[in-house]
Amino acid sequence: AQKITQTQPGMFVQEKEAVTLDCTYDTSDPSYGLFWYKQPSSGEMIFLIYQGSYDQQNATEGRYSLNFQKARKSANLVISASQLGDSAMYFCAMRVYQAGTALIFGKGTTLSVSS
Amino acid sequence: GAVVSQHPSWVICKSGTSVKIECRSLDFQATTMFWYRQFPKQSLMLMATSNEGSKATYEQGVEKDKFLINHASLTLSTLTVTSAHPEDSSFYICSAEGGQETQYFGPGTRLLVL
Repeated sequence: AQKITQTQPGMFVQEKEAVTLDCTYDTSDPSYGLFWYKQPSSGEMIFLIYQGSYDQQNATEGRYSLNFQKARKSANLVISASQLGDSAMYFCAMRVYQAGTALIFGKGTTLSVSS
Repeated sequence: GAVVSQHPSWVICKSGTSVKIECRSLDFQATTMFWYRQFPKQSLMLMATSNEGSKATYEQGVEKDKFLINHASLTLSTLTVTSAHPEDSSFYICSAEGGQETQYFGPGTRLLVL
């Protein structure tokens, strides 16, 4: 069965510091994609970054990078130089292409950035 | 980037009434759209997969007759909560499949049934 696990209910970080949000996944399918979304209090889901299972390099998008360790089945999100506006809920998600197209979400991590 | 809109953004209705929520992909065509439900402080739960021109595929435990989904065009999917009750109060959010295997989400609809 496919599963996403986020073990950190909440994380606290100071402005300008880097923070890592953990995500592990479980699937036996070789073809899958891993996603991170940000959900501020307004509720919208904002796409941050994507990593395909066959991608050789870790994905990066501005201050976001995905630390993809395939053997460990982990896909941690690293946010560099945190900003107050980064305070939000963060969801890790997986899509297994053979099984269908829907995303499977983790329970989320609430990130709080303080000044 | 790809934009998905939802309407209305919030709705309050009386118990027993039906509520229709629209999900539109504004600048791209989406053969597949997804409907999720989210309770406060919880994750998104997939309700159904909506395919243009065919019947929706519902997840286990989701009542088809309660949550009617119609995907009439490549840019519009609608979710109708029929005979809504207070337990249907939730945050409903749709997504549309865009390029690079990415799903783009609408801003969500907050439903409160009194």
